[in-house]
Amino acid sequence: DTAVSQTPKYLVTQMGNDKSIKCEQNLGHDTMYWYKQDSKKFLKIMFSYNNKELIINETVPNRFSPKSPDKAHLNLHINSLELGDSAVYFCASSQGQFSGEKLFFGSGTQLSVL
Amino acid sequence: GENVEQHPSTLSVQEGDSAVIKCTYSDSASNYFPWYKQELGKRPQLIIDIRSNVGEKKDQRIAVTLNKTAKHFSLHITETQPEDSAVYFCAVSKGNNDMRFGAGTRLTVKP
Repeated sequence: DTAVSQTPKYLVTQMGNDKSIKCEQNLGHDTMYWYKQDSKKFLKIMFSYNNKELIINETVPNRFSPKSPDKAHLNLHINSLELGDSAVYFCASSQGQFSGEKLFFGSGTQLSVL
Repeated sequence: GENVEQHPSTLSVQEGDSAVIKCTYSDSASNYFPWYKQELGKRPQLIIDIRSNVGEKKDQRIAVTLNKTAKHFSLHITETQPEDSAVYFCAVSKGNNDMRFGAGTRLTVKP
């Protein structure tokens, strides 16, 4: 069983389109994250949620809207896609708040905006 | 926010040699320091971590040392093998669901 699963694995789309990436974890973790990894491999935190509540919103353009329907799911919707949004997006989860626990990453979604 | 600097950005060693990667951080409240390994096309995976109340931790060929006063920590890999080739990331957290990563070190182990 995959601990943190995200779909789709690849996403190719045109500028200006709207797209979503889904993430689910079956570890019973309280906290979920979205990270963006650019072409230089830099891993930048975008959002973190704890028990469906937004904790971190790291100066991400408001074209990016995370949604957490329950603590096992954290989806990412992106409006009006731009060329600079091309990157690998990783979902992750960890045990809980204030614990500095190990992150479990999904396999990543390679987004290419043409 | 926390500023994490990682050096070197690339490291090439001969099989069997040791490799050392260093990270510095800015926030003295940080208390959790993991290291992640990312193989080509794969997800980052935790290889070792250390908390602020410990100075050193070892797991077989991998060790991490922490100097809280100087705000730096290092990853040490001994007897390197070709399968150790990957990008290594340090990370820092103060336990508030805000894990910050260094820029990564691309390690190449030559057979």
